[in-house]
Amino acid sequence: ETGVTQSPTHLIKTRGQQVTLRCSSQSGHNTVSWYQQALGQGPQFIFQYYREEENGRGNFPPRFSGLQFPNYSSELNVNALELDDSALYLCASSLGGRGARRTDTQYFGPGTRLTVL
Amino acid sequence: AQTVTQSQPEMSVQEAETVTLSCTYDTSESNYYLFWYKQPPSRQMILVIRQEAYKQQNATENRFSVNFQKAAKSFSLKISDSQLGDTAMYFCAFMISLGANSKLTFGKGITLSVRP
Repeated sequence: ETGVTQSPTHLIKTRGQQVTLRCSSQSGHNTVSWYQQALGQGPQFIFQYYREEENGRGNFPPRFSGLQFPNYSSELNVNALELDDSALYLCASSLGGRGARRTDTQYFGPGTRLTVL
Repeated sequence: AQTVTQSQPEMSVQEAETVTLSCTYDTSESNYYLFWYKQPPSRQMILVIRQEAYKQQNATENRFSVNFQKAAKSFSLKISDSQLGDTAMYFCAFMISLGANSKLTFGKGITLSVRP
């Protein structure tokens, strides 16, 4: 069973630039959630994708956007980067839906450390 | 809105001893999940244990067990026979189990240090 993977591991950008982070979900999972974790804090929910559709969003501005692909991998895009966007970005996958197999337990990838200068 | 509170920022324990990490939460929902995640310096968030609110029996996973008090909205984690590898940040998290949106709400975390 393949776990959740994320790329890249580290990224340095300058203010105003755009960034794309990638996540491959665990085998058999159909739901991907993205979280932002500032230094010394707990993760904050950005949004979730279920079967290629946005399925809930946290308190983040529209310049944070995402995609989910037919193989359930996902991208997080951030436009017009600000200094406060510097954080660890975590992706988590789970088996969502309405069936009996739904578990909802989220398994996390290793994260992408984004630094905005 | 749901909130999760971890009021102890740091704890320290001697190797082989037992330690308990505290967590309280607030919700008006009746069906939900509670989790403890561990985040070592490597940053990977690792699931430690999960508890369904409808289950009265406390969850256990090897050396890890919880004390779930639904009426008090308390969810503490007990680590027995602490090991050096348990050194990490520990997060308590809450999830509503109804509906398709299953986001996690995290506490601020507690840094646990295991002393040799």
